[in-house]
Amino acid sequence: NAGVTQTPKFQVLKTGQSMTLQCAQDMNHNSMYWYRQDPGMGLRLIYYSASEGTTDKGEVPNGYNVSRLNKREFSLRLESAAPSQTSVYFCASSGQGKEGYTFGSGTRLTVV
Amino acid sequence: DAKTTQPTSMDCAEGRAANLPCNHSTISGNEYVYWYRQIHSQGPQYIIHGLKNNETNEMASLIITEDRKSSTLILPHATLRDTAVYYCIVSARWGSARQLTFGSGTQLTVLP
Repeated sequence: NAGVTQTPKFQVLKTGQSMTLQCAQDMNHNSMYWYRQDPGMGLRLIYYSASEGTTDKGEVPNGYNVSRLNKREFSLRLESAAPSQTSVYFCASSGQGKEGYTFGSGTRLTVV
Repeated sequence: DAKTTQPTSMDCAEGRAANLPCNHSTISGNEYVYWYRQIHSQGPQYIIHGLKNNETNEMASLIITEDRKSSTLILPHATLRDTAVYYCIVSARWGSARQLTFGSGTQLTVLP
């Protein structure tokens, strides 16, 4: 089925470790986004990519880097994980129309 | 983007209509109203959006007041599977990246 695919679904890291969260969409969308959601809270935008080759900071970019590898893929990297980065991470994409985002199923990350 | 205000929680009996209100008194003329829902920590799901006219799709209806300062999402025949957090968001941008800002939303509980 068409949509947004995130890997991995679950991950446990030790403080200071690094990892990359992967996201791919097959809807030919131009724009892609990374959000985090802490328990009991709404989603906060980390980074977004309006189109292939561009990336911009969102509300909470500190501690993260992103790469828009091609039109399909947008990765999020934690260089040195901290317990404060324990969260659920959602990737999303959107097209040229006025309709909404399509979200992935999330990556549940725990940093110990 | 304009700020929105939603009730923290609401209950609805199964089979009855669920009416979820949203205030967006500072909305600008070019801002759309979007509704999303999130079922138990899954990725948010787009429901509907509108600018000034009432809208209906297979999931819900959106009623926007004439002054556009508030709106109501209507689920005509709520089921247990509609239990979720519902987010009302206003955003002007389309075509290129739209930075949707998610607040805390309304927890809708559909009761048997």
